[in-house]
Amino acid sequence: GENVEQHPSTLSVQEGDSAVIKCTYSDSASNYFPWYKQELGKRPQLIIDIRSNVGEKKDQRIAVTLNKTAKHFSLHITETQPEDSAVYFCAASKPGGYNKLIFGAGTRLAVHP
Amino acid sequence: DAMVIQNPRYQVTQFGKPVTLSCSQTLNHNVMYWYQQKSSQAPKLLFHYYDKDFNNEADTPDNFQSRRPNTSFCFLDIRSPGLGDAAMYLCATSRESTGVETQYFGPGTRLLVL
Repeated sequence: GENVEQHPSTLSVQEGDSAVIKCTYSDSASNYFPWYKQELGKRPQLIIDIRSNVGEKKDQRIAVTLNKTAKHFSLHITETQPEDSAVYFCAASKPGGYNKLIFGAGTRLAVHP
Repeated sequence: DAMVIQNPRYQVTQFGKPVTLSCSQTLNHNVMYWYQQKSSQAPKLLFHYYDKDFNNEADTPDNFQSRRPNTSFCFLDIRSPGLGDAAMYLCATSRESTGVETQYFGPGTRLLVL
């Protein structure tokens, strides 16, 4: 079945540094790739998403890149702040599946002051 | 504010005692989902409704059932909770589309089984 692999599982950076999280998907029909941020005990919140008709999308300090040929996409956070500390999940979805999301295993990001 | 609401936020039940979790939404979305999330894991889809059409994931235990009496409400029933069912239960919604649409999550209900 469809699978999404996410790396690394944990990431520790100093405040102000950049953080990069990478995901690889298996189903070439996937065309929607959201990223969710989940703080401890809270709901997953959509922080950015990208569709397969674009290669990059940016929203302030957050950017996502997509390489359809290689079937991987990445989250880039620049100028990290302690409040960026959370678990980040990537996901993939394809048409015709009731928007079913296939999640990666998550990356625990710690930003140290 | 349009949103996804879950009640209760915390639920304690006894081993084998049926429990019902509720979800409501003001987004008027056609699709509603129930996820189970255990500590340090990704959310796991249990089932979803497309309007009143119920769709069960193949590996969802029979112990889990769901009801959707109308567009706004959806319930998760756990008939005989076991210790392994202790988890965060997340409800999500998305709009009907021929493509793919964003899912919006509720705050979750944390279930503790004693």
